[in-house]
Amino acid sequence: DAKTTQPTSMDCAEGRAANLPCNHSTISGNEYVYWYRQIHSQGPQYIIHGLKNNETNEMASLIITEDRKSSTLILPHATLRDTAVYYCIVRHLMEYGNKLVFGAGTILRVKS
Amino acid sequence: DTGVSQDPRHKITKRGQNVTFRCDPISEHNRLYWYRQTLGQGPEFLTYFQNEAQLEKSRLLSDRFSAERPKGSFSTLEIQRTEQGDSAMYLCASSPRSGSGNTIYFGEGSWLTVV
Repeated sequence: DAKTTQPTSMDCAEGRAANLPCNHSTISGNEYVYWYRQIHSQGPQYIIHGLKNNETNEMASLIITEDRKSSTLILPHATLRDTAVYYCIVRHLMEYGNKLVFGAGTILRVKS
Repeated sequence: DTGVSQDPRHKITKRGQNVTFRCDPISEHNRLYWYRQTLGQGPEFLTYFQNEAQLEKSRLLSDRFSAERPKGSFSTLEIQRTEQGDSAMYLCASSPRSGSGNTIYFGEGSWLTVV
């Protein structure tokens, strides 16, 4: 079962920052927060992951609250190509197999 | 391209026929996963291999489904006696055992339509 809660959908203006929230209030100390996105009809694409520190890469930034019960994925300058379903996933790296368990995700619509 | 490769990308089959999908993981990734995704839903886990050993199977993987990874490299997913409810996208993914946070990378999926 998914351990995260995300809004069903969000809109963002092109060129603006997209801030996608995720609640994971039952996260444990050995669980990472992963973000993937899925553009229509394609496989999920890895974006970023983190444990407790904020992380940034070429695609996005991940801000994790100090208590680790929630996080925000930030796309700094959203483009139309960022329209996708965004999945926030909590994953235990020490669990056998440590598969990803997907929820429903957030549909992000970037509008011009 | 060094990503996860899946073949075929699309398959239309008649109910009752058997179908097989192939997945070539990223080189040297010893973990391989199969997922299924229906329209409007997130991907659902089916099964997982570490090298050639199938270590976990979801209850979604009925007796008509079988997955293999004979030499610990590519994998196949076979569906026997297909049913209309099998229509979905079948996703393959791979990850290294350690390093890079064991990040899992997905292929582009194989679409199955059962008519």
